[in-house]
Amino acid sequence: EFVLTQSPATLSLSPGERATLSCRASQSVTSYLAWYQQKPGQAPRLLIYDASNRTAGIPARFSGSGSGTDFTLTISSLEPEDFAVYYCQHRNNWPPRLTFGPGTKVDIK
Amino acid sequence: QVQLVQSGAEVRKPGASVKISCKASGYTFISYGLHWVRQAPGQKIEWMGWINTGTGDTKYSRNFQGRVTITRDTSATTGYMDLSGLKSEDTAVYYCAREPYYDFWRGQDYWGQGTSVTVSS
Repeated sequence: EFVLTQSPATLSLSPGERATLSCRASQSVTSYLAWYQQKPGQAPRLLIYDASNRTAGIPARFSGSGSGTDFTLTISSLEPEDFAVYYCQHRNNWPPRLTFGPGTKVDIK
Repeated sequence: QVQLVQSGAEVRKPGASVKISCKASGYTFISYGLHWVRQAPGQKIEWMGWINTGTGDTKYSRNFQGRVTITRDTSATTGYMDLSGLKSEDTAVYYCAREPYYDFWRGQDYWGQGTSVTVSS
């Protein structure tokens, strides 16, 4: 069974600090890896697709990297609105199955 | 502007069914597929299935096989997700999300606002 693992489960940081979130796949996903941000009571919001491409309108402080099985989402300097839960996601080619990681909560220290 | 607007919250008894709608606007409906996912309280997001809105072709998660049916009405630019045999564990927020066909690697860029389903006797 294909699984995505995220670490850490919780990241406690202050505004202005750098956040580094990890996502590991149980088998290679080439670069079919996306990152989503979710705030309480809201739908997930696409930040990064294909491992390192920012979606339109996403600030440059968000960046993604990695390939194969290890991926990273970096927020260079946390803004107050960035405190949320972040999920990595793999989209299988066919069938079009989506697999999400368990999430990393970034909260205010 | 692109919007996916879902139907309102539902409360059902165990064993019942629920049908959620996802009304699309602001884009050509049949040019994008629709995924359905759900998120139980405190749980990670779980994929339920997908529909090609142009052909009606569907793919379902094995976890829901036999209980979930995804359909669409192209004239109404609306997708539907029907879940039967409800159990308390189906209590969750259900989301639809659109995705391009050929460059699916771009991810799901627009999501519905979510529909809360509560299953309780």
